[in-house]
Amino acid sequence: GESVGLHLPTLSVQEGDNSIINCAYSNSASDYFIWYKQESGKGPQFIIDIRSNMDKRQGQRVTVLLNKTVKHLSLQIAATQPGDSAVYFCAENINSNSGYALNFGKGTSLLVTP
Amino acid sequence: ETGVTQTPRHLVMGMTNKKSLKCEQHLGHNAMYWYKQSAKKPLELMFVYSLEERVENNSVPSRFSPECPNSSHLFLHLHTLQPEDSALYLCASSQEGTGRSPLHFGNGTRLTVT
Repeated sequence: GESVGLHLPTLSVQEGDNSIINCAYSNSASDYFIWYKQESGKGPQFIIDIRSNMDKRQGQRVTVLLNKTVKHLSLQIAATQPGDSAVYFCAENINSNSGYALNFGKGTSLLVTP
Repeated sequence: ETGVTQTPRHLVMGMTNKKSLKCEQHLGHNAMYWYKQSAKKPLELMFVYSLEERVENNSVPSRFSPECPNSSHLFLHLHTLQPEDSALYLCASSQEGTGRSPLHFGNGTRLTVT
């Protein structure tokens, strides 16, 4: 079946460096994508989203890139800080029985070292 | 404060017990969701309610029974659970249930079935 997946289960970066977290998707009909951050003991927190009519979207210290040709999504975090340590999930909307629902990847654990 | 409140935060129950998880959203959203998060697995969509009507039941066993009395409240009634049902149960809400708006999650209920 079609699914969302992540290339790397863990990523370790030094404080101050930029981080890039990648996500592959296989559902060509998906037209909406989201990145979430989940810290220990908390629910997923919305970071940034992008629609399929865009290639790039920027937020505060974060940028999401969408490459529809190769079905690839990435999250870039500038000047990574210790507080960025968390698990990051990408999600795509999929056509379900009721219309559309969000399908999540397994997650990448980001560890920021001093 | 996430805008989505879940209670209890932790629950331990025996296989013959009946319990309920509660979720309340303060965001004025029209759609609410139950997701299951198990270790090393992607978030699994369980149920979707849009405008208080259940629009998705993602092949969830009948020992899980959702209830949405109004657009702000969502319950998950549990009975005769199995140990493999132990997981983090996350409630979320969104502006609408089309899969094209961000989900806002609560911090979850950590369920342990003994």
